[in-house]
Amino acid sequence: AQKITQTQPGMFVQEKEAVTLDCTYDTSDQSYGLFWYKQPSSGEMIFLIYQGSYDEQNATEGRYSLNFQKARKSANLVISASQLGDSAMYFCAMREGLSGYSTLTFGKGTMLLVSP
Amino acid sequence: DAGVIQSPRHEVTEMGQEVTLRCKPISGHNSLFWYRQTMMRGLELLIYFNNNVPIDDSGMPEDRFSAKMPNASFSTLKIQPSEPRDSAVYFCASRSTDRSNEKLFFGSGTQLSVL
Repeated sequence: AQKITQTQPGMFVQEKEAVTLDCTYDTSDQSYGLFWYKQPSSGEMIFLIYQGSYDEQNATEGRYSLNFQKARKSANLVISASQLGDSAMYFCAMREGLSGYSTLTFGKGTMLLVSP
Repeated sequence: DAGVIQSPRHEVTEMGQEVTLRCKPISGHNSLFWYRQTMMRGLELLIYFNNNVPIDDSGMPEDRFSAKMPNASFSTLKIQPSEPRDSAVYFCASRSTDRSNEKLFFGSGTQLSVL
């Protein structure tokens, strides 16, 4: 079974609108972390936001917020007021366990296109 | 800080040739990761090191792939002999293990094309 599932291969949104990118995860660990990365066409991987499994509040970083629903095992990324520069691939990732020996497992990604 | 530095940015080689990818992690980071990205399989973890010691190499596709980390500031990923199906973007990433929410910092990647 996939540990990270991103069901939307592609999403379209108009500039200034909000968009939600879906991510569900599968783990039996109680302690884990969820990350979102952005990959623009230039190829680099840019960290956006982090949510810990014990965090009671949803994480926010500027226009990015993470809609964390633990019981449903979902960690959707919400981008408010989309900008043309938000057009990119977005990856959800999970780190199981909190030791220094845990790794990140990535989903297949969602391509977001922002139109004027 | 210069970030994670990978070289070369692009590598084009012929099937059967040896390929060596290089990575310099962020100073002070003691975990280093090699990932491979393809359209079909997405981002796959190949191997990771902690304090220069390989911890998990279960993602290395086969014996043609090898990775070393001789010191805290340098790592190599070698493919010998290379095959067309090895064509992909190879990312190196590093992290400090001090905090549980510590993110991975990625290099710019090496685009490998094996003809």
